[in-house]
Amino acid sequence: EAGVVQSPRYKIIEKKQPVAFWCNPISGHNTLYWYLQNLGQGPELLIRYENEEAVDDSQLPKDRFSAERLKGVDSTLKIQPAELGDSAVYLCASSLGTGHQETQYFGPGTRLLVL
Amino acid sequence: GDSVTQMEGPVTLSEEAFLTINCTYTATGYPSLFWYVQYPGEGLQLLLKATKADDKGSNKGFEATYRKETTSFHLEKGSVQVSDSAVYFCALSDQGAAGNKLTFGGGTRVLVKP
Repeated sequence: EAGVVQSPRYKIIEKKQPVAFWCNPISGHNTLYWYLQNLGQGPELLIRYENEEAVDDSQLPKDRFSAERLKGVDSTLKIQPAELGDSAVYLCASSLGTGHQETQYFGPGTRLLVL
Repeated sequence: GDSVTQMEGPVTLSEEAFLTINCTYTATGYPSLFWYVQYPGEGLQLLLKATKADDKGSNKGFEATYRKETTSFHLEKGSVQVSDSAVYFCALSDQGAAGNKLTFGGGTRVLVKP
């Protein structure tokens, strides 16, 4: 079974440019997450989807970040405009259900460098 | 709010040595506890988990026991291999309005030398 797929794996952009990350979750997983991982730190949740609905976006900086999950499968995370401090790894994860005991499966991440 | 504290690394040890990585947590409810591992150049992988007090999670020779009385979930392995070199993350998921949101510790880098 295929795991969580993310693209691109690496992205280098100049500040003030837009950037987008794509995620395809494990087939049948209704819940999708985007996490931000700064260097040397643990991941932090940005947004959580249940099917098409964003049920927790309290940590998403809405002035420059946006996300969508059309049709409840693939998801895109966008930053516009990017800032130097956005350099980090952006992780996508999915889970079958929403209970606290559910395992989240992570993709390889997109490493973003903003110059 | 929820938080996870784990020992800072790097932890350097020789092959076949005993490994312990301490993890303590603060949660408002009764969380599930997880250890994830990140090998060089790879994504986070679930290593083991425990969903209620006194449960023991185990995988690949690693073990951790959910201790509610000490709010701890320490990771142990009796004999490490070079291939265990990675960054290990302790995490919790609380059963509250936040739903299935993982709160991670800062990670502990482990380096096993031959």
